[in-house]
Amino acid sequence: DVKVTQSSRYLVKRTGEKVFLECVQDMDHENMFWYRQDPGLGLRLIYFSYDVKMKEKGDIPEGYSVSREKKERFSLILESASTNQTSMYLCASSPARVGYGYTFGSGTRLTVV
Amino acid sequence: SQQGEEDPQALSIQEGENATMNCSYKTSINNLQWYRQNSGRGLVHLILIRSNEREKHSGRLRVTLDTSKKSSSLLITASRAADTASYFCAPLRITGGGNKLTFGTGTQLKVEL
Repeated sequence: DVKVTQSSRYLVKRTGEKVFLECVQDMDHENMFWYRQDPGLGLRLIYFSYDVKMKEKGDIPEGYSVSREKKERFSLILESASTNQTSMYLCASSPARVGYGYTFGSGTRLTVV
Repeated sequence: SQQGEEDPQALSIQEGENATMNCSYKTSINNLQWYRQNSGRGLVHLILIRSNEREKHSGRLRVTLDTSKKSSSLLITASRAADTASYFCAPLRITGGGNKLTFGTGTQLKVEL
């Protein structure tokens, strides 16, 4: 069964900490995405990547960075965590070809205290 | 914005009834996708309908697309308690910035026994 795996289901971090959220896919997909989901705001795109070492800003990149050193892994980095980054973070991947849906991970619920 | 907007925001029905959710969008699209999200989990891809298609079926799901009205609907027939979830539509527009999906806030469906 194809999968997108997010390293942590729940995470609690302190304000100011550097936080790494890891996402790994086993489908050889070219595209990978990071979203955050908040009540009343839906899913908002933070960053996405078309290929290894490629990255593009989404709608809300401020306070985040990403890394894609290998095709299967896409990391989201919170350089200095703040309480307003408390959220559900969802990783997804898709083939480069149009006509296929996204495969999502189970999500990481991050709480910054 | 190319995101879809789902309507209604919330829907409560009895098991065995049909559930209809609507989606409107603003730009021309290549395809439109529907996803389901169970509480606190990642999204699951349900069905994709291309811009040159008007209707598509998958099991108990029926999706329609009207590109002239920029709208789509998702019908779940003979609903079950297990269908309780949030449902999102995501129109895909191919741009120079890549094939990324933008999600709305979804329709929360509750199917009661």
